[in-house]
Amino acid sequence: DTGVSQDPRHKITKRGQNVTFRCDPISEHNRLYWYRQTLGQGPEFLTYFQNEAQLEKSRLLSDRFSAERPKGSFSTLEIQRTEQGDSAMYLCASSTGTGPLYGYTFGSGTRLTVV
Amino acid sequence: GENVEQHPSTLSVQEGDSAVIKCTYSDSASNYFPWYKQELGKRPQLIIDIRSNVGEKKDQRIAVTLNKTAKHFSLHITETQPEDSAVYFCAASYDQTGANNLFFGTGTRLTVIP
Repeated sequence: DTGVSQDPRHKITKRGQNVTFRCDPISEHNRLYWYRQTLGQGPEFLTYFQNEAQLEKSRLLSDRFSAERPKGSFSTLEIQRTEQGDSAMYLCASSTGTGPLYGYTFGSGTRLTVV
Repeated sequence: GENVEQHPSTLSVQEGDSAVIKCTYSDSASNYFPWYKQELGKRPQLIIDIRSNVGEKKDQRIAVTLNKTAKHFSLHITETQPEDSAVYFCAASYDQTGANNLFFGTGTRLTVIP
């Protein structure tokens, strides 16, 4: 599969626990994005990497959220001290994004349920 | 920041009829407008996009129009088929910082009735 891969597909956790998600983008894509999607809504931007540099973060990304892309390839998104309001689908996307704007390719997402 | 509004939230059409979904955006700096189709439980998939230097783009049964002056853009699906049933999202983006992060509408659930 040469698309964007996300792991795990589903995660159920108790409130207060930490969770970490992984995203493997399309190999030649240097831009990587994290979005959050709640039921009945469109995806909301969380953060963006160009290669290993995290260049932009939404104010939706509280101090409990941290994202890394250490070698400019895969990325991880960690949520500390999870809250019920964190329950959502977390989508990763990648693009080449050089020069003219390009469309994203999304992964299948990680569905987080905080109980 | 950018604000994208999308209408209608639900749309039912008979198979073979056309469907039109409309979006407006607030930031005149936005210059890229993709449309995504999301089937239940699946990833959003890019179906068509348009850049601000183009007024219309067509790909088989799908077309998108852009009116920069009015800051609105629309998705047109002709000869609808049951497999077109899904949630459709419009989005807008401006690349001022190089981020190209997308601002999405709230989605339109399209149901094509056989």
